[in-house]
Amino acid sequence: EIVLTQSPGTLSLSPGEKATLSCRASQSVSSSFLTWYQQKPGQAPRLLIYGASSRATGIPVRFSGSGSGTDFTLTISRLEPEDFAVYYCQQYGNSPFGGGTKVEIK
Amino acid sequence: EVQLVESGGGLVQPGGSLGLSCAASGFTFNTFALSWVRQAPGKGLEWVSAISGSGGNTYYADSVKGRFTISRDNSKNTLYLHMNSLRAEDTAVYYCAKEGCSGGSCYSDWGQGTLVTVSS
Repeated sequence: EIVLTQSPGTLSLSPGEKATLSCRASQSVSSSFLTWYQQKPGQAPRLLIYGASSRATGIPVRFSGSGSGTDFTLTISRLEPEDFAVYYCQQYGNSPFGGGTKVEIK
Repeated sequence: EVQLVESGGGLVQPGGSLGLSCAASGFTFNTFALSWVRQAPGKGLEWVSAISGSGGNTYYADSVKGRFTISRDNSKNTLYLHMNSLRAEDTAVYYCAKEGCSGGSCYSDWGQGTLVTVSS
């Protein structure tokens, strides 16, 4: 079973700053199935990125995904107030999610 | 517009059973795989179970295998999760999620979730 480790656990940043979130897999993952989700308190998760780098419908261009093999990254170029949330990566397909990274206001 | 509406959550005693439903609309139900994903209070997301569009293939996390059963009724556009031998650690918000993206490579849509509490 592939284990996804997300780092850091918490990222404290100010609006306007750049956020870089990491997702490392215990073995090679198909980029086609690497996804990122955003979750705000009391809400269901929302799809951000699929196929490692494709933005889902309606997702702003400040969100980007990259990576291959065992190392993947979600980048938020300039944080907006609504971006403070928890972010999860997952290899889609009956697999565990990463433990999540909380992006909080500094 | 895709809509997924879960129901059936509630308080159940350890060792008890509970059934969840997810009513779907806005897409051709029988052509998409569906999953259940749960989230314990204050914790991360945990994939629980999945079922193919036809219902012929089912998959379970080790933590629920042998206790939970996923099914679907394509004539009623409804997904189910029947849970037996419930434990305190099954306490969570249970979300249904629909397969999407190119080649079926993501959970494109999620329900709002239903809370299951296992406690005496």
